[in-house]
Amino acid sequence: AQSVAQPEDQVNVAEGNPLTVKCTYSVSGNPYLFWYVQYPNRGLQFLLKYITGDNLVKGSYGFEAEFNKSQTSFHLKKPSALVSDSALYFCAVRPPNTDKLIFGTGTRLQVFP
Amino acid sequence: DTGVSQDPRHKITKRGQNVTFRCDPISEHNRLYWYRQTLGQGPEFLTYFQNEAQLEKSRLLSDRFSAERPKGSFSTLEIQRTEQGDSAMYLCASTPADGQETQYFGPGTRLLVL
Repeated sequence: AQSVAQPEDQVNVAEGNPLTVKCTYSVSGNPYLFWYVQYPNRGLQFLLKYITGDNLVKGSYGFEAEFNKSQTSFHLKKPSALVSDSALYFCAVRPPNTDKLIFGTGTRLQVFP
Repeated sequence: DTGVSQDPRHKITKRGQNVTFRCDPISEHNRLYWYRQTLGQGPEFLTYFQNEAQLEKSRLLSDRFSAERPKGSFSTLEIQRTEQGDSAMYLCASTPADGQETQYFGPGTRLLVL
């Protein structure tokens, strides 16, 4: 079955420190990969995506993600966390030959001062 | 560009009642998607339209659920004979016609079935 795993329910990091939110996927073929962020009582806000090309993709608000095909991973990173980055982060994949997104269960990022 | 809008933002209903939600996509986006998100979970795909054609439906979309996009612009999602298990956030997303593949989400409609 096609799936996305976000192994950490919560990630805690001090402001100014680097952060990583992990994502692995199990999808046949070459999927498109996405990260979204969700603030309380809000919809999903697009951060970045990987379609093809350079394995390191840069997105909004200083976030970036690294695609690793051999490990089927797409970890989200930021060199220096801000308190305002505290939110719920979702990894999603779009399998080949479909337009639907398959989401992970989300990781809550808590950045403390 | 005002983004994807959804109405209502919140809905409380009693079990057995019918509810209808509306989604207005970003202007000129020809693809529109519905997802459902329950507490502590990621969104789950329900259905998808290209213009007015409904191209894919999830097994999650039981016969009590129906979605339409009659003129290829806004869409409605109706749930008949609501059950407590239908309580969730219903999210709508749209995609431009240029194949960018990014789905832009609306704020969602939160449904509570009592």
